[in-house]
Amino acid sequence: DAKTTQPTSMDCAEGRAANLPCNHSTISGNEYVYWYRQIHSQGPQYIIHGLKNNETNEMASLIITEDRKSSTLILPHATLRDTAVYYCIVRVNHGSSNTGKLIFGQGTTLQVKP
Amino acid sequence: DTEVTQTPKHLVMGMTNKKSLKCEQHMGHRAMYWYKQKAKKPPELMFVYSYEKLSINESVPSRFSPECPNSSLLNLHLHALQPEDSALYLCASSQEGFKGRTEAFFGQGTRLTVV
Repeated sequence: DAKTTQPTSMDCAEGRAANLPCNHSTISGNEYVYWYRQIHSQGPQYIIHGLKNNETNEMASLIITEDRKSSTLILPHATLRDTAVYYCIVRVNHGSSNTGKLIFGQGTTLQVKP
Repeated sequence: DTEVTQTPKHLVMGMTNKKSLKCEQHMGHRAMYWYKQKAKKPPELMFVYSYEKLSINESVPSRFSPECPNSSLLNLHLHALQPEDSALYLCASSQEGFKGRTEAFFGQGTRLTVV
């Protein structure tokens, strides 16, 4: 089962920052938070991931709370092409091996409007 | 090259047919995954291969048979499927051995229709 909860949908004005929240209150100490997005009928696209520190790359920023029970994905200047379903995922380690599972939750549909 | 290539892009098959989906990556990744995605639903994990060995089977029916012939290739053999198996089948790959510190790359999927 997915370990994350997200709002079903959000709107954002073009050019403004999009802040997408995610709750993962049952996350374990060594489990990473990943964000992916999926544009209609395409494969999911990796955005960013983190463990406990805030992270930034050319696409987005990831803010993780100190207790690690929630996080926020920030798209600093949303464009119409950012309209997609955004998935917050906790990567679950499989037993004692290094194999992990990305279990998708329901995601947030972000609609960027002109 | 961060590409995962899936073929075919579209497939229509009858319930008595046998077909295969193919996935290929040349990133040196040693973990490969199959996901199934129904319309308007999130992807669901089916299988995980690690170093060419089946590591995780999420209780998938035996009419789906995965195979990993080498470190770059992943196949999904299909036999006696039902119309409800119609879905987008996604393949992904990632580095192995980093306990979560590495991302998975997804292919564009095979859209399967069972008639």
